[in-house]
Amino acid sequence: AQKVTQAQTEISVVEKEDVTLDCVYETRDTTYYLFWYKQPPSGELVFLIRRNSFDEQNEISGRYSWNFQKSTSSFNFTITASQVVDSAVYFCALSESGGTSYGKLTFGQGTILTVHP
Amino acid sequence: KAGVTQTPRYLIKTRGQQVTLSCSPISGHRSVSWYQQTPGQGLQFLFEYFSETQRNKGNFPGRFSGRQFSNSRSEMNVSTLELGDSALYLCASAVGGYTDTQYFGPGTRLTVL
Repeated sequence: AQKVTQAQTEISVVEKEDVTLDCVYETRDTTYYLFWYKQPPSGELVFLIRRNSFDEQNEISGRYSWNFQKSTSSFNFTITASQVVDSAVYFCALSESGGTSYGKLTFGQGTILTVHP
Repeated sequence: KAGVTQTPRYLIKTRGQQVTLSCSPISGHRSVSWYQQTPGQGLQFLFEYFSETQRNKGNFPGRFSGRQFSNSRSEMNVSTLELGDSALYLCASAVGGYTDTQYFGPGTRLTVL
């Protein structure tokens, strides 16, 4: 069965520090998709990025970067020069292939990030 | 494009009652998924609908049900409410493929007293 683990429950940093959020996943599928979502206090989950299992190219988008390593089943997320507005709960999620996975995301427990001014 | 909308945003019910939550997907999206979020269990998948058909279901009791209409709007119903049903209920829409990105609404906060 699929599983996503975010070992860090809470992280607290001071503004402008870099911070990395860890995500480890388990799946038996060879084709799968990984996602990161951000949940600000308003409650809505905001989509950040999606990667498929065949694309291990790391990605940078502004202050965000993602490191996907299939060999260690990890999909880590780094925020460079953090800002107070980055404070939120961050979720890593997994979607497997196949009919039994329609519309189903398996989420990690989330990491609460607090950025202090 | 307008995002996913959910109504109502907040609900207070008492044990034993039933409740219906509504979700309107992004225009052009035909898949709607529902999730329950609680502090103890985190985000858990309830079910997914596509073209008025339930394609997938999570591990929840039969008190939780849903449906989808021809315009892709979806409703979920919880009957015989229990205290443990207090949660944030999130719906997400996607184009329709099983790996399409899901976009979430703001959620409905249900409190059962």
